[in-house]
Amino acid sequence: EDQVTQSPEALRLQEGESSSLNCSYTVSGLRGLFWYRQDPGKGPEFLFTLYSAGEEKEKERLKATLTKKESFLHITAPKPEDSATYLCAVQAAGNEKLTFGTGTRLTIIP
Amino acid sequence: ETGVTQTPRHLVMGMTNKKSLKCEQHLGHNAMYWYKQSAKKPLELMFVYNFKEQTENNSVPSRFSPECPNSSHLFLHLHTLQPEDSALYLCASSQALADPNEQFFGPGTRLTVL
Repeated sequence: EDQVTQSPEALRLQEGESSSLNCSYTVSGLRGLFWYRQDPGKGPEFLFTLYSAGEEKEKERLKATLTKKESFLHITAPKPEDSATYLCAVQAAGNEKLTFGTGTRLTIIP
Repeated sequence: ETGVTQTPRHLVMGMTNKKSLKCEQHLGHNAMYWYKQSAKKPLELMFVYNFKEQTENNSVPSRFSPECPNSSHLFLHLHTLQPEDSALYLCASSQALADPNEQFFGPGTRLTVL
């Protein structure tokens, strides 16, 4: 059974304080690992797809990396508007379904 | 309208009511999904439609009834719900049979069952 574990559950950072969020996964043949951002009361917003170990993708202050067991979402010099819950999901080979983690709630303090 | 839209955004209903949630996607996709999101739980997949055909029913109680009249519209009909059904209901769409399956979500309907 595919599993996704995200840590920490919640993270509070000062504005400008860089850090990383972790997504550990077990899946039978990874087809894709997805990162989403979700603001309170809204739907998840697609950020990145990673396909294979060693791959990296960047968007503004966010950089996602992937190994064979986990993915990291690095946030550099965050701003208060980066506050949100960040969700990770995986897709196994031959399966259209996504398995989601419970998310990391990130709060950036001005 | 762009992306995936959902109406209503908020819904309060009694246990004996019948209501429907609506989802529309403007992305030209052919696959649509219903998810349930409860506090501190991962997103739970409820139903999947590919090219208007239901391909997944993830052991969802019959008080939830989906309908997909075309590739752009998806409904979730609700009747005799329970208080534990209160949650955020999310609609998503993707390019059918895409690999990997990048899904795009609507804003959700916050449902409260009294």
